[in-house]
Amino acid sequence: SQTIHQWPATLVQPVGSPLSLECTVEGTSNPNLYWYRQAAGRGLQLLFYSVGIGQISSEVPQNLSASRPQDRQFILSSKKLLLSDSGFYLCAWARSPPNYGYTFGSGTRLTVV
Amino acid sequence: QKEVEQNSGPLSVPEGAIASLNCTYSDRVSQSFFWYRQYSGKSPELIMSIYSNGDKEDGRFTAQLNKASQYVSLLIRDSQPSDSATYLCAVNTYSGGGADGLTFGKGTHLIIQP
Repeated sequence: SQTIHQWPATLVQPVGSPLSLECTVEGTSNPNLYWYRQAAGRGLQLLFYSVGIGQISSEVPQNLSASRPQDRQFILSSKKLLLSDSGFYLCAWARSPPNYGYTFGSGTRLTVV
Repeated sequence: QKEVEQNSGPLSVPEGAIASLNCTYSDRVSQSFFWYRQYSGKSPELIMSIYSNGDKEDGRFTAQLNKASQYVSLLIRDSQPSDSATYLCAVNTYSGGGADGLTFGKGTHLIIQP
C-alpha cells in the first residue's frame, strides 16, 4: 500500500530564517506530487506541483520554492521566511493521471514569529 | 477559471439526522468528483469519489452527482458527533496538460449536535 510521510509536524521559525519541509511517498512510482498551503479559516492554495524528477510548476509567485531530487521526494524551501508564510502546509500525491483523487500527508503547522 | 462553490456554514444538524452537503462547479468537462473530510488541525481525508451521474453509497455516506446541473452532494445518514468536521468538495478536470487536476472548494463546516 502507498503511504506519504511529511515532517516536521510543527515548526516555529523567526522572520528571515530559512525553511525546508520534506515529503516522501512509499509504495508507488512516478507519482504526481503537490504542495498546498491552508491559512487559518481559508481554503487550500496550490503552491507547487511536480510530474517527475526535476519538474516543478509554480502556481503562486512568492518567496517559496520546491524541488524534487528523487522520484518520491518533494521538498518545499524558502531562503527567508515572512510572517505571511505562516500556515498549514500539506503535501499530497496522486497517480498519473490524477483521476482518483489526492492523498494528503499529515501536514506541517508553520508559525513564523 | 475553474471554480468549486460550497456554502461555508456552519451547518448544524442534530445527532441521528441526515446531513446534506452541497457543491457546484463551473467546468462542464469535469470528470471526477471527490469529498474530503478535514478535522480541525488535521489533513484532508478522502471519503467518497463519484464519476457517473446518480448515487453512490458507502456505509452511512451517499454521494450524488448531476453533471447536467453541475452539482454534487454528500449525504451523511445517522449523523454522529464524530462527523463534525469541514467537508471539502473537489473536482477533477484533468486534461493531460499538467498535474493540477483537482480544484477544491473552501469547505462546509458541519456540526453534529448531540
